[in-house]
Amino acid sequence: EPEVTQTPSHQVTQMGQEVILRCVPISNHLYFYWYRQILGQKVEFLVSFYNNEISEKSEIFDDQFSVERPDGSNFTLKIRSTKLEDSAMYFCASSVNYEQYFGPGTRLTVT
Amino acid sequence: AQRVTQPEKLLSVFKGAPVELKCNYSYSGSPELFWYVQYSRQRLQLLLRHISRESIKGFTADLNKGETSFHLKKPFAQEEDSAMYYCALSTGGGNKLTFGTGTQLKVEL
Repeated sequence: EPEVTQTPSHQVTQMGQEVILRCVPISNHLYFYWYRQILGQKVEFLVSFYNNEISEKSEIFDDQFSVERPDGSNFTLKIRSTKLEDSAMYFCASSVNYEQYFGPGTRLTVT
Repeated sequence: AQRVTQPEKLLSVFKGAPVELKCNYSYSGSPELFWYVQYSRQRLQLLLRHISRESIKGFTADLNKGETSFHLKKPFAQEEDSAMYYCALSTGGGNKLTFGTGTQLKVEL
């Protein structure tokens, strides 16, 4: 059964550095998403992407964040200048028919 | 704005006992409701979707629009049911999921 994949599984970076989190959605899915979960808190929506453009974004998704689908398979989340409070688990998801399927997550640690 | 409430952070039951994980939502339109499960060190997995009305791993959930609830139930808990359970709401196809805070289910022998 196809699955959403994410790399890396764990990323450690210093405050102020740029990070790129990568995702490969399920191939026939049309909608792509990023969510994050700060330790001990709930899963929060960041951004959704459809037809090569952002369809919705949350207030968390400020100018420091960007998403891209550089080719037919990858979907990336870039954080330009990381802050300590960006430390979280980042989940990619893709969907078809209302059902969203999640990747295993990337744990981002900002020091 | 939509909201999902899971009032119990932790629910501990004995093996073979019935389980009910509570979920209430607020949304003025017709939502799509889901239950996701996260086993230790694994990804979020879709467990149930209200519109499909299926029973997965013995779990069922009924959407009660009058009480704005979507409680997850299982008549006899198994040890392998121990996991984190999240209730989530979507307002339409392709739209974001709004999650509750999750309930940790612990099934004791």
